[in-house]
Amino acid sequence: KNEVEQSPQNLTAQEGEFITINCSYSVGISALHWLQQHPGGGIVSLFMLSSGKKKHGRLIATINIQEKHSSLHITASHPRDSAVYICAASTGNQFYFGTGTSLTVIP
Amino acid sequence: NAGVMQNPRHLVRRRGQEARLRCSPMKGHSHVYWYRQLPEEGLKFMVYLQKENIIDESGMPKERFSAEFPKEGPSILRIQQVVRGDSAAYFCASQGDRLNIQYFGAGTRLSVL
Repeated sequence: KNEVEQSPQNLTAQEGEFITINCSYSVGISALHWLQQHPGGGIVSLFMLSSGKKKHGRLIATINIQEKHSSLHITASHPRDSAVYICAASTGNQFYFGTGTSLTVIP
Repeated sequence: NAGVMQNPRHLVRRRGQEARLRCSPMKGHSHVYWYRQLPEEGLKFMVYLQKENIIDESGMPKERFSAEFPKEGPSILRIQQVVRGDSAAYFCASQGDRLNIQYFGAGTRLSVL
């Protein structure tokens, strides 16, 4: 069993839909990261959080430490949001990555 | 401010050759991480370095792989005697002393023929 599990693996949405990607982890963490990997392969860090909720534009990330669960929400989705979204748990020095959620937003 | 710079972007090697991947962290960052992404697989942690020190190399294969981050110059990930299974995208990320979010380089795509 992986230390970090993401769902769904693949997600297709119509433009404008509200999107949720879930992440569960089994390790004790110092922080939880959400990353975005574009079709060209580049990786961008979206959020790093250890409690509560963070918002950046149309993106919102939440974490529930007791339940070891985090969610990434995208409001008013747009085709340019199409990418792979990766959840990663950091435990001091190490990082454990989920296998990613491939999101396609259709115009 | 320049971001994390990795070079080369693409590297082709024949089996048995050496591969050297370079990573220049963001200005002021002294923490560097290397990750590997095998085809159709997720990212895997390889090694965490600070200037002149290897902090955690638990994700590095036991043989042929080494990493350094010298006082001057970029961090280097070195793969000796490459094999086809080493073909992957290798990403470097850097972090400041506050250990906040990591900034990723564009990656080096290694192809072993």
